[in-house]
Amino acid sequence: DAKTTQPNSMESNEEEPVHLPCNHSTISGTDYIHWYRQLPSQGPEYVIHGLTSNVNNRMASLAIAEDRKSSTLILHRATLRDAAVYYCILDNAGNMLTFGGGTRLMVKP
Amino acid sequence: GAVVSQHPSWVICKSGTSVKIECRSLDFQATTMFWYRQFPKQSLMLMATSNEGSKATYEQGVEKDKFLINHASLTLSTLTVTSAHPEDSSFYICSARVSGIGKQYFGPGTRLTVT
Repeated sequence: DAKTTQPNSMESNEEEPVHLPCNHSTISGTDYIHWYRQLPSQGPEYVIHGLTSNVNNRMASLAIAEDRKSSTLILHRATLRDAAVYYCILDNAGNMLTFGGGTRLMVKP
Repeated sequence: GAVVSQHPSWVICKSGTSVKIECRSLDFQATTMFWYRQFPKQSLMLMATSNEGSKATYEQGVEKDKFLINHASLTLSTLTVTSAHPEDSSFYICSARVSGIGKQYFGPGTRLTVT
């Protein structure tokens, strides 16, 4: 499976935008890029996914590099409730998701 | 949106006993369900893939006779931890997806403590 690389942790101030990077240099042409987040003591929650084009939804935006070797999850205005571990995952066969270490986002009031 | 529930949310059991964890898709039919385990401060590790009406596929290193998975219907999968030991104490999370590429829906998790 193609792997992803994310920073271990990031900090943000409340109500400021947050850009969470993900490198996936070995991505294949049919890999979808998924983002999930996990709040403390909860199961992961779907955030967004995309293939080639940038995507927006009510939670976040996903910016995908033209060569697809990296992507960035954008939270437009971080809140304290956004403090979580964010996982960037490649999904090809539509089967299981392989979780890496993720990025722990800390939001300061 | 789609909801996946787990029961119980937490359980404490004695060493040597068995514990059953249920995972239900409440408002959709899940052809495939997944079971993950998460130790403190670690990421989720896939244990097995469960397909309705067929045997589960276990990841390498996961004992199929210890972690029994039954996916009897399109809305219910169960994980039974048999002869539990303290090292089985962990956060167990299930997920479900309908088919193809798309989002997975995760349950809230079950915290198992074996004393």
